[in-house]
Amino acid sequence: DIVMTQTPSSQAVSAGEKVTMSCKSSQSLLYSENKKNYLAWYQQKPGQSPKLLISWASTRESGVPDRFIGSGSGTDFTLTISSVQAEDLAVYYCEQYYDTPYTFGAGTKLELK
Amino acid sequence: QVQLKESGPGLVQPSQTLSLTCTVSGFSLTSYNVHWVRQPPGKGLEWMGRMRYNGDTSYNSALKSRLSISRDTSKNQVFLKMNSLQTDDTGTYYCTKSPNWGQGVMVTVSS
Repeated sequence: DIVMTQTPSSQAVSAGEKVTMSCKSSQSLLYSENKKNYLAWYQQKPGQSPKLLISWASTRESGVPDRFIGSGSGTDFTLTISSVQAEDLAVYYCEQYYDTPYTFGAGTKLELK
Repeated sequence: QVQLKESGPGLVQPSQTLSLTCTVSGFSLTSYNVHWVRQPPGKGLEWMGRMRYNGDTSYNSALKSRLSISRDTSKNQVFLKMNSLQTDDTGTYYCTKSPNWGQGVMVTVSS
């Protein structure tokens, strides 16, 4: 199984700060035939279902603010929030869908400083 | 629009079998994959398995021996059955068809 490792596990932030969080996979998520990385980022707020923010490592879902930026390739991926807003306080998960069984990282929790 | 809704018992006794239903609308089960994901209270997400559009299934390695996913395309329903439940199977169970998720159903395993 592909292991997904997210760091940090939690991060205290202030509104307006730039935030980066990491997701590393135990094997490459880059499919050579289509040059796509099979990596998604989700946001989950308390009491809510997860929300898909980014797929293919860097493609924002419709309606997702452009302050959310996904980057990386192969085994190393980053989610950046360019200027954190209060409504961004949540837990963020990465998920690989390169191969079954799909696997999630343990999450990064954004908290208020 | 696309909707998914999980249903099932809120309480299951230890060693018993969990049966959940995901009822979908707005898309065809023969065109899209549906996944089951669970989340223990206060913990992270765990991918459980997938029903592919063509009827094939895939499972979480750790759950494979206890888990079965099936469907009824005429009723737009996907089913999850997991046996030998223990207290650490307590959590919220979601069905999802990217990018949409159901609201989840809370399942408590307790006597």
